[in-house]
Amino acid sequence: GEDVEQSLFLSVREGDSSVINCTYTDSSSTYLYWYKQEPGAGLQLLTYIFSNMDMKQDQRLTVLLNKKDKHLSLRIADTQTGDSAIYFCAEDGTTSGTYKYIFGTGTRLKVLA
Amino acid sequence: SQTIHQWPATLVQPVGSPLSLECTVEGTSNPNLYWYRQAAGRGLQLLFYSVGIGQISSEVPQNLSASRPQDRQFILSSKKLLLSDSGFYLCAWRASGGTGELFFGEGSRLTVL
Repeated sequence: GEDVEQSLFLSVREGDSSVINCTYTDSSSTYLYWYKQEPGAGLQLLTYIFSNMDMKQDQRLTVLLNKKDKHLSLRIADTQTGDSAIYFCAEDGTTSGTYKYIFGTGTRLKVLA
Repeated sequence: SQTIHQWPATLVQPVGSPLSLECTVEGTSNPNLYWYRQAAGRGLQLLFYSVGIGQISSEVPQNLSASRPQDRQFILSSKKLLLSDSGFYLCAWRASGGTGELFFGEGSRLTVL
């Protein structure tokens, strides 16, 4: 079945690095994503990685993908208070081209000043 | 540019009453459309997705239904609400091609009393 799992909470101090982990099940996904949700709002795409890549760096963000273990991680360098939000990983679950996106449970990141 | 509108933003409904949430997308044609629900303390649950007019795929058996009467209109309905239907409902769309990014509406918060 399809399941995407994340730890529920993460607390870090401002200036430290944050690492949010995710495990997924659908190996047919073309892309894997990280979305950010501010309180009371919809989700916005933070970054993504193509399934044939191992790593992607985008400014303070580093995405690591281990396809063998179906493990995805997001590292935020120099974490700021504005990074406090819920972070969701997602797989596009490409099946017959319908792109049935499955999201993880979300990790609530709290950044302490 | 593309935009997505979702309404109402907030509603409080009694148990057993009907529900209609509406979502429209502008600036694109033939998008894939999605309804998700985010319950308090839980992740994002895919409820329905649609690849075209009149084509609805249901992911979770429940008392909710969805319809797509026009290319860029997606409606979530219920004939009789349950307490467990309370949550934050998010509509999203995806354009064909590209990286498959989902674009989310601002959400509708439903409280069933």
